[in-house]
Amino acid sequence: EAGVVQSPRYKIIEKKQPVAFWCNPISGHNTLYWYLQNLGQGPELLIRYENEEAVDDSQLPKDRFSAERLKGVDSTLKIQPAELGDSAVYLCASQTWGEDTQYFGPGTRLTVL
Amino acid sequence: GENVEQHPSTLSVQEGDSAVIKCTYSDSASNYFPWYKQELGKRPQLIIDIRSNVGEKKDQRIAVTLNKTAKHFSLHITETQPEDSAVYFCAASNPNTGTASKLTFGTGTRLQVTL
Repeated sequence: EAGVVQSPRYKIIEKKQPVAFWCNPISGHNTLYWYLQNLGQGPELLIRYENEEAVDDSQLPKDRFSAERLKGVDSTLKIQPAELGDSAVYLCASQTWGEDTQYFGPGTRLTVL
Repeated sequence: GENVEQHPSTLSVQEGDSAVIKCTYSDSASNYFPWYKQELGKRPQLIIDIRSNVGEKKDQRIAVTLNKTAKHFSLHITETQPEDSAVYFCAASNPNTGTASKLTFGTGTRLQVTL
């Protein structure tokens, strides 16, 4: 089966510009996660969706970050405006109810200049 | 919230030797402990996991042990091969509490297997 798909794989923008990342989870997976991974660190949760509902967004910096999963399938994570410190890899993961395993996408590497 | 510490941060072993990576966690309610392998520029991939109702799990050259009392768990790789070179992350979660099922990751161990 196809894995978690993310695009773009790489993005370079100037600070103060907006940027958006897209994630398509594994078919049938109800739960979707967005993680932030800084260089040399483990992934840190930004937001978790159960279908279209954001059930844990306590780690999402809501002043500049937003996310949506309108139809409970694909998801978009947006940053506006981007700051230098946002340079990182943004990972999407999905999971199906009743199972523990989270499957990760390849990530989007963001560089803010 | 949960805090996971991982050691060592880097580990170099010769091909054929064993490698051990250790993690500790703080939340005694955590009951699911996966290990992910991440090669450079690629996605984290699950290599083995363990639930708190067992103390050890093995899959070919990879094993994980769990000590609930001490709140630590370890990854053991035997007969290491160059393709084992990667960054390994441990994680902990409590999947039985609904919204609290997020994974808390350790900071990673960069394993290098030399010829």
